[in-house]
Amino acid sequence: DAGVIQSPRHEVTEMGQEVTLRCKPISGHDYLFWYRQTMMRGLELLIYFNNNVPIDDSGMPEDRFSAKMPNASFSTLKIQPSEPRDSAVYFCASSLTEYNEQFFGPGTRLTVL
Amino acid sequence: SQQGEEDPQALSIQEGENATMNCSYKTSINNLQWYRQNSGRGLVHLILIRSNEREKHSGRLRVTLDTSKKSSSLLITASRAADTASYFCATDYRPDDKIIFGKGTRLHILP
Repeated sequence: DAGVIQSPRHEVTEMGQEVTLRCKPISGHDYLFWYRQTMMRGLELLIYFNNNVPIDDSGMPEDRFSAKMPNASFSTLKIQPSEPRDSAVYFCASSLTEYNEQFFGPGTRLTVL
Repeated sequence: SQQGEEDPQALSIQEGENATMNCSYKTSINNLQWYRQNSGRGLVHLILIRSNEREKHSGRLRVTLDTSKKSSSLLITASRAADTASYFCATDYRPDDKIIFGKGTRLHILP
């Protein structure tokens, strides 16, 4: 398996633009997690899915953020409109069960100008 | 905040020495995990220790868990340059059962 795949790896956009981050989890993993990492706040859990259903989105910072998982092999995290404070590295991770080892993707480095 | 707190925030040691990092947490947990993150990369799982376990080993890694003190330690023996990375503990707290990561310890191995 290729591991968790994220795209794009880098994204530079201007304030107010829509940003869509994509993730392909490891096949057979039932759980998918979206994290945001910054120097100030560390690694924050934004939302996670079980069998394509959102379980906990309490970490989503505000209504500008939305996440979907239309099928077991694809998820998106969308920011609309984007703001400079959204600049961070966004990671997707997947796991077989909720509390076991999570496999992280390489991340998407987002810069909002 | 419920997240684990790693200590120290940063650590520099000579290659070949042992490195010890600690993680403290506030409430009862189910499991505690340690992850490594190399610069510019995603996190990689190192080891998981359950609340009823006290010690686990994996290669040069040794993890201990003291639930009475609500703390865990990660020991890397005979450090190598490739061990230079940030190390995070992750805990899943009862009853929410949400995994929360600490802010990490930055380890630098000096040649």
